[in-house]
Amino acid sequence: AQSVSQHNHHVILSEAASLELGCNYSYGGTVNLFWYVQYPGQHLQLLLKYFSGDPLVKGIKGFEAEFIKSKFSFNLRKPSVQWSDTAEYFCAVSPNQAGTALIFGKGTTLSVSS
Amino acid sequence: GAVVSQHPSRVICKSGTSVKIECRSLDFQATTMFWYRQFPKQSLMLMATSNEGSKATYEQGVEKDKFLINHASLTLSTLTVTSAHPEDSSFYICSARTATGIMNTEAFFGQGTRLTVV
Repeated sequence: AQSVSQHNHHVILSEAASLELGCNYSYGGTVNLFWYVQYPGQHLQLLLKYFSGDPLVKGIKGFEAEFIKSKFSFNLRKPSVQWSDTAEYFCAVSPNQAGTALIFGKGTTLSVSS
Repeated sequence: GAVVSQHPSRVICKSGTSVKIECRSLDFQATTMFWYRQFPKQSLMLMATSNEGSKATYEQGVEKDKFLINHASLTLSTLTVTSAHPEDSSFYICSARTATGIMNTEAFFGQGTRLTVV
């Protein structure tokens, strides 16, 4: 069974700092990869996803992620964070096979101070 | 994009009663839906995979007799929490995926249901 590991439990940054959140997965086959954000009191929102093609994926709100197959990684980056980026971030993976669920990492809490 | 609608968004029930949560795919047919549970400040834990017209597949440790899942049509899956207890209080989220042949495409999530058992 696949699993997802997010290395950072809680990240604290100042506005304008750069962000990188780590995500590694364990699965030997072709995967779909996702990053979701959950703002306090709100439901999940998709930031970006990777299915195939260019391993550098650009998402909403200035986020991007790079799929490195050899490292089983899909790290999330943003060059300059804002206070409004304070939220919970979840990495998720599924096999690229119809009918399969997304498996989520434990999440990373990002706190951005103004 | 496709929309998954979940109802109710919040429910408070008395201990010992049952609660039904509905999950609908509004503009696509979902042969497979998924139910997750999220505890405060924690991640989404997959509870079960709901297959249209057949029995759900439950993850290890999830009581199938407590969390009844019915997927009677291609657009509706329901989760019934039976004989609810305070420890069942949680945020329940459904999801559905579209597919092209054997390959997955998108994943869509409902708004979630906050269940509080008193």
